[in-house]
Amino acid sequence: NAGVTQTPKFQVLKTGQSMTLQCAQDMNHEYMSWYRQDPGMGLRLIHYSVGAGITDQGEVPNGYNVSRSTTEDFPLRLLSAAPSQTSVYFCASTQTGGETQYFGPGTRLLVL
Amino acid sequence: SQQGEEDPQALSIQEGENATMNCSYKTSINNLQWYRQNSGRGLVHLILIRSNEREKHSGRLRVTLDTSKKSSSLLITASRAADTASYFCATSQSGGTASKLTFGTGTRLQVTL
Repeated sequence: NAGVTQTPKFQVLKTGQSMTLQCAQDMNHEYMSWYRQDPGMGLRLIHYSVGAGITDQGEVPNGYNVSRSTTEDFPLRLLSAAPSQTSVYFCASTQTGGETQYFGPGTRLLVL
Repeated sequence: SQQGEEDPQALSIQEGENATMNCSYKTSINNLQWYRQNSGRGLVHLILIRSNEREKHSGRLRVTLDTSKKSSSLLITASRAADTASYFCATSQSGGTASKLTFGTGTRLQVTL
């Protein structure tokens, strides 16, 4: 199993541009989450999903959209990038009935 | 707002010493978990302790939980240079889902030879 994969590894955007961060898992996990990590802030939850077709907002959802059309994929869309969205983004998944999260390697995003 | 606050923010010890880091949280929880993050990498789960447990061991790791004080500690015994990483506590709140963890701010551990 590849586990949780994220693409791209690194991205530079200009203010106002849009993009999609990809996340996929091949473990048939029902739950998936997106976090952002900023220096000294730990990880903050952006959006999460408890199954295909079901998503909900986390602590810092503004400026981001998600969808979950399949169990495997959970893309994160930045609608109009802002410098405040410069961060490292992590995707994670949890199996049904499980409690621990499996993390992807992260996407480092720089918004100029 | 952040659920967990950890201290110290940074810890530097020599190989063979024990490392203790602490986590405090604000609301009722189902469980508390500790994760490790090597520089530039994703987080890796280390150990989970449920709200009705007081202590748990896994190899060189020992976790305690005091729900009355809303605090937890992680002890790494006989540390090694390879333990150098950031350590985060994360809580699953009562009534929440496994996809919704709240993380602390982390402790950076440096183990020197």
